[in-house]
Amino acid sequence: GDSVTQMEGPVTLSEEAFLTINCTYTATGYPSLFWYVQYPGEGLQLLLKATKADDKGSNKGFEATYRKETTSFHLEKGSVQVSDSAVYFCALSVNQAGTALIFGKGTTLSVSS
Amino acid sequence: GAGVSQSPRYKVAKRGQDVALRCDPISGHVSLFWYQQALGQGPEFLTYFQNEAQLDKSGLPSDRFFAERPEGSVSTLKIQRTQQEDSAVYLCASSLGTVRETQYFGPGTRLLVL
Repeated sequence: GDSVTQMEGPVTLSEEAFLTINCTYTATGYPSLFWYVQYPGEGLQLLLKATKADDKGSNKGFEATYRKETTSFHLEKGSVQVSDSAVYFCALSVNQAGTALIFGKGTTLSVSS
Repeated sequence: GAGVSQSPRYKVAKRGQDVALRCDPISGHVSLFWYQQALGQGPEFLTYFQNEAQLDKSGLPSDRFFAERPEGSVSTLKIQRTQQEDSAVYLCASSLGTVRETQYFGPGTRLLVL
């Protein structure tokens, strides 16, 4: 079945360090891909998305490129801030009506000053 | 505008009690999803509504779980005879349409069954 695998956490970085969180997927057809973020005490928020191969989603300095050949959607940020500390979830959705999101297990990022 | 709201935010239940969790989606959103998020895990799908029709309930873990959306807006997830394994965060999400639409999540209801 369809699934998402993302790197285990926690990831601990110093402020201004480069961030990569790996995400790979298995899906039939051509899914849409998402990164959601969950800040402490808050609900899930969409961070960025890409709906077809080679699309790049970007938001708040984060980027991810939909790579069909490697079935990957790795999240990157060039310079992290303390305020980026959160849990990050990679997810996919098969493009059919009413299809739920399939999430990875989440990666906890902790950034220290 | 207002986002997705859920109530209560926290619920403690004794094993065997019935609970009802409410979701108010964004006004006008056609699609509504319920997810269950266990500690340290990603959310997992429970059920899907398109307007008032429950089109997919394949993720409901047992017949103790029941969901409704009678007027196509507010939805209620009911769990009967709660068990300890039901302890989790229950998330509601809504989207404007039905395909390729961004899902917007509520803050969740944290259920603890003692």
